[in-house]
Amino acid sequence: DTGVSQDPRHKITKRGQNVTFRCDPISEHNRLYWYRQTLGQGPEFLTYFQNEAQLEKSRLLSDRFSAERPKGSFSTLEIQRTEQGDSAMYLCASSPLLQGLYEQYFGPGTRLTVT
Amino acid sequence: AQKITQTQPGMFVQEKEAVTLDCTYDTSDQSYGLFWYKQPSSGEMIFLIYQGSYDEQNATEGRYSLNFQKARKSANLVISASQLGDSAMYFCAMRNYAGNMLTFGGGTRLMVKP
Repeated sequence: DTGVSQDPRHKITKRGQNVTFRCDPISEHNRLYWYRQTLGQGPEFLTYFQNEAQLEKSRLLSDRFSAERPKGSFSTLEIQRTEQGDSAMYLCASSPLLQGLYEQYFGPGTRLTVT
Repeated sequence: AQKITQTQPGMFVQEKEAVTLDCTYDTSDQSYGLFWYKQPSSGEMIFLIYQGSYDEQNATEGRYSLNFQKARKSANLVISASQLGDSAMYFCAMRNYAGNMLTFGGGTRLMVKP
């Protein structure tokens, strides 16, 4: 059983460019989450999918951010017109669709640097 | 709203000794879960241990145990017999039963000395 994978692991871009990240969750997991982690801080929730439906979005997810999970499998997170403040680690996590409180399994993250 | 507070930005521990990492939380929910994650320098968040709000016994997983004091709203992580590989950032997090997101604390950097 492979874990959560993310691509790319690192991305350097110039301010104003668009970037897209991909997340592949654990295969049997229906729930998928995106978090953002800035240097020296804990991760902050961005958005959540159950299968292909985006059910929850944080106010941190400005209109420059869009996330999709078209077939309920992998997900993409796009940032348009990047700003220096977008520099962070973007973490993806997945969990099974079960009742109760289950841990979320995290991927290795995509580190974004906006110059 | 939920809040997690980790008051120790950094801690040192001697190899083979035990260490306690503090975590306090604030929530108005009755049903919730508390989680601890380890983040090495590689960046990946590694799940360590989970405690449910209705669990009567403290959770244990190998060298990790969770000292859960519900009335004091604390969920401290105890690592026994520290190893050099335990050097990392440690995050406490919580989620309520109805919610989907994890709320994280600011983390504690643990450094194990040989």
